[in-house]
Formats: sequence, structure tokens, C-alpha cells
Amino acid sequence: EVQLLDSGGGLVQPGGSLRLSCATSGFTFTNWAISWVRQAPGKGLEWVSAIGGSGGGTDYAGSVKGRFTVSRDNSKNTLYLLMNTLRAEDTAVYYCARQNTGYHDYWGQGTLVTVSS
Amino acid sequence: QSALTQPRSVSGSPGQSVTISCSGTSSDIGAYDYVSWYHQHPGKAPRLTIYDVNKRPSGVPDRFSGSKSGNTASLTISGLQAEDEADYYCSSFAGTSWVFGGGTKLTVL
Repeated sequence: EVQLLDSGGGLVQPGGSLRLSCATSGFTFTNWAISWVRQAPGKGLEWVSAIGGSGGGTDYAGSVKGRFTVSRDNSKNTLYLLMNTLRAEDTAVYYCARQNTGYHDYWGQGTLVTVSS
Repeated sequence: QSALTQPRSVSGSPGQSVTISCSGTSSDIGAYDYVSWYHQHPGKAPRLTIYDVNKRPSGVPDRFSGSKSGNTASLTISGLQAEDEADYYCSSFAGTSWVFGGGTKLTVL
């Protein structure tokens, strides 16, 4: 069974940093690209970042480029999102989602990040 | 990349059909047959409903169908049931990124 488990969210002050994790199981991790998608309270979904399979090519939304870094540890089947210089507008539930050719087929349960003083 | 445009809400009675539109541009919906739809219940993660414009994942009933014309995609739900009440989001591949719609709340009256 394909599973993605997000963790690492919490309360952080503006300007602070946080690292999210996405532990996966049930599929060959290195064969799949993974995305991070966020959802601000009461708002819609916003794609944040993606990383390729074993090759690890990365892409970012303009709103986070230069502040967020996505990485993966293929030995642990785990994806990470390092978030620096956090702003209030980064407050959201962050989901990792497995990326199929043209869609996201499996999603984690989400982890809440709150940026507030 | 701007978000795709969806109606804020739609509603229908049990047994009726509803259609949710999703408007994009020639850089996303118009450029690729990679339109997908997700439903989300309160407090839950999104779940794939339709992919590649009109394909249904295993377990999704054939009451759900998708289509695309130009820069606009649509999700149609026929034979509405109470459990269909949820938020629905469209999404499209956009070259090196992904774009989502703002979401449509479906109310089953």
C-alpha cells in the first residue's frame, strides 16, 4: 500500500526556519518525483515545489524560490522541505504528493505550519 | 503562474447532474492533456478523482467524468449522491510547474 506521512510542522516566528519531512512506503521511491503542495487556512491548493526521482532535479513556485529547498534521502525513502525566511503568508497545511506523469496520485495527510509572532 | 479559475460553489439535488468548470490559459490547460481533479472533505487530504482530462482512478464511480475544450476543463458528476458533497479542485501541468484552481464547494441539497 502506497503511503506518504508528512511531519515537522509547527509554530515558527517570522524570519525563522522549519524542515518538513515526508516518509514514504509501498513503492520504489527512486522511481517517482514528489511534490509539495500547500493549502492556506480556508484557501485553495498551491503547488510549492517538486523533486525528480533518483536524479533529483528540482522546481519551485515563484513565491518560495530562494527561500525553500526540497531534497530527498533515497536511502531513507524520505523527502524534505527546508523552509527559510518564513513569512506569515507561508502559514498553511503542507502536503507531499507523489507525482505521476500528469497528476498527483497519492497524498500525505498534511502537516500544519503556522508563522506568527 | 496564476491559479486556474473555478466557481466558488455549485449545488444540486440527489440524482441530478452538476458540472464544475476550470478555466486556464494556453500555457497550462490549453497546452497539455494533463488536467486532473481532486476532491477534499473537511480536514482531509485531497484525493484524486480524474486524471489525464477524463480518466478515472480505480474506485471512482463512472458517475464522475471529465472533459476539456481549449483552455477550459470540466468535471461532471451525474446521479448526485450525498457523499459527493466536498470541495473539488482542478489542476494542470504547466511545463515546469503545476497550477491548481481555487476550489469549488459542491453542496448536495
